[in-house]
Amino acid sequence: GEDVEQSLFLSVREGDSSVINCTYTDSSSTYLYWYKQEPGAGLQLLTYIFSNMDMKQDQRLTVLLNKKDKHLSLRIADTQTGDSAIYFCAERTPYKLIFGTGTRLQVFP
Amino acid sequence: DSGVTQTPKHLITATGQRVTLRCSPRSGDLSVYWYQQSLDQGLQFLIQYYNGEERAKGNILERFSAQQFPDLHSELNLSSLELGDSALYFCASSVDRGTEAFFGQGTRLTVV
Repeated sequence: GEDVEQSLFLSVREGDSSVINCTYTDSSSTYLYWYKQEPGAGLQLLTYIFSNMDMKQDQRLTVLLNKKDKHLSLRIADTQTGDSAIYFCAERTPYKLIFGTGTRLQVFP
Repeated sequence: DSGVTQTPKHLITATGQRVTLRCSPRSGDLSVYWYQQSLDQGLQFLIQYYNGEERAKGNILERFSAQQFPDLHSELNLSSLELGDSALYFCASSVDRGTEAFFGQGTRLTVV
């Protein structure tokens, strides 16, 4: 199948770390992505990881990939209210991106 | 700004009508993808074009069609519109199988 799964909601306190999880299905996926969608806006590419990598860090963002378990996570350090949004993971197959259901991150003061 | 331009931003139309959504990809990108985002279906892949040719089809209804022109812009045509077609329609572009796909801001279609 082509299901990419994510938990629907995550609520964190400002300043804490957020961890958003994703499981994907296609072991042949070459790249895995994280996108952010703010209310009324398009999808913003946050970061990506190549399938032969275990980890990628980009400022406050850390992506971890467990290829054996087909598990991807996005850690946001020092989460801010501006990080409140829906976060989508996506796997790349030869001709398209398959998106997860999205995780709504709510940051409270 | 992703560099992908979609017009119009909003569209309200009646059932049974036909609309055309337009997408201009980022400079240099040859691939264009169309996605539909609705509350109950999430982000659904519709269709992909590469340099004018259709490459892949997803869950695209027969009432919908698309094309990519020689200047690489793309249009998504939606006909015999139904209430359930109300959604956000996104276009994305990439350098074929490149690492990144960049999304436009979307066209919000409301069918009344």
